[in-house]
Amino acid sequence: AQRVTQPEKLLSVFKGAPVELKCNYSYSGSPELFWYVQYSRQRLQLLLRHISRESIKGFTADLNKGETSFHLKKPFAQEEDSAMYYCALKSRGNEKLTFGTGTRLTIIP
Amino acid sequence: ETGVTQSPTHLIKTRGQQVTLRCSSQSGHNTVSWYQQALGQGPQFIFQYYREEENGRGNFPPRFSGLQFPNYSSELNVNALELDDSALYLCASSWSGGAREQYFGPGTRLTVT
Repeated sequence: AQRVTQPEKLLSVFKGAPVELKCNYSYSGSPELFWYVQYSRQRLQLLLRHISRESIKGFTADLNKGETSFHLKKPFAQEEDSAMYYCALKSRGNEKLTFGTGTRLTIIP
Repeated sequence: ETGVTQSPTHLIKTRGQQVTLRCSSQSGHNTVSWYQQALGQGPQFIFQYYREEENGRGNFPPRFSGLQFPNYSSELNVNALELDDSALYLCASSWSGGAREQYFGPGTRLTVT
């Protein structure tokens, strides 16, 4: 069975400091990994996916198959980064997204 | 381009009743997925509809059922409501080809008393 674990429910970081949101997964095949973000009073939206290897709003995430991790990183936190972040996994050939429980990131001015 | 819309926004039902939630997919999308998000949890996959047929189902009992219409809009029906069904229900639409990014609606907050 596929599973996504986000060990931190809450994370507070000072503005300008580096941010790392942890995500670990368990899946026997070759997964697709995503980070979704939900800003206050807005709907859930895709932040980035591992297959595109792009940087969105300064965030990057590298898939580490050896450690089964997909941590989200940003070198310098900004106040507008405060939001709820969800890591999600999609198995190949299946449209189902499996989400973690989420991490609420708060950037301290 | 119109985004994913859901109705109603909020709903209060009594245990044992039945409820229907509605979702209009984003323009050009032919696939709709439904998720249940309990308080403090991530969204959980209920099922997906593609071309009016169920195309994958999560670990939810048969009293959770759905429909997709020719215009790709969708309904989620829940029979014999239980207190644990209280949650935010999210609908997401996508295009079956290409990148398949799922675009989420704002959700329907269901409270069962």
